[in-house]
Amino acid sequence: GNSVTQMEGPVTLSEEAFLTINCTYTATGYPSLFWYVQYPGEGLQLLLKATKADDKGSNKGFEATYRKETTSFHLEKGSVQVSDSAVYFCALSDGYGNNRLAFGKGNQVVVIP
Amino acid sequence: NAGVTQTPKFQVLKTGQSMTLQCAQDMNHEYMSWYRQDPGMGLRLIHYSVGAGITDQGEVPNGYNVSRSTTEDFPLRLLSAAPSQTSVYFCASSSSALEETQYFGPGTRLLVL
Repeated sequence: GNSVTQMEGPVTLSEEAFLTINCTYTATGYPSLFWYVQYPGEGLQLLLKATKADDKGSNKGFEATYRKETTSFHLEKGSVQVSDSAVYFCALSDGYGNNRLAFGKGNQVVVIP
Repeated sequence: NAGVTQTPKFQVLKTGQSMTLQCAQDMNHEYMSWYRQDPGMGLRLIHYSVGAGITDQGEVPNGYNVSRSTTEDFPLRLLSAAPSQTSVYFCASSSSALEETQYFGPGTRLLVL
């Protein structure tokens, strides 16, 4: 079945540092890929998405490219702010029209001033 | 628009008690779903609905019932709560099963003693 793997452990970094969160996936068919963000005490919000190979999703300075050859969708931001502290989830939709999302375990990101 | 709303925000149950978690959306979305979020496990799909009167099971449906009598509401019922159902529950919606971007509610934190 479909699955998403995110790098282990929380990420702690200083303000203005470069952020990368790795995400790889296993899927049949033609999945769409997503990054969702969860701020403290809130529900998940869509951060960005890509629906086909080589698409790049971007939003709020974050970017991720759908790489079919490496089955990856790594999230990057060039200069993080304290307000980026949150939990980030990689997810995929199986593309068969039933909108079932498979999520990775999530990564806690803490940005220190 | 209020978006997706969930009640209650927090609930404590004793083993064997029943309760209903409420979810409502005011965006006229056809697709609604329930996820549970457990530490280190990401989100897992419990049940989903592609429209009023239509529901289906997700990845972890055991112990939960749903119905969808209106477009707006999608309640989740626990018939006999167990400690394994201690979790944070999120409801989500999208305009259709083909529109993959989902909007999440703020969550219900459930503790079963």
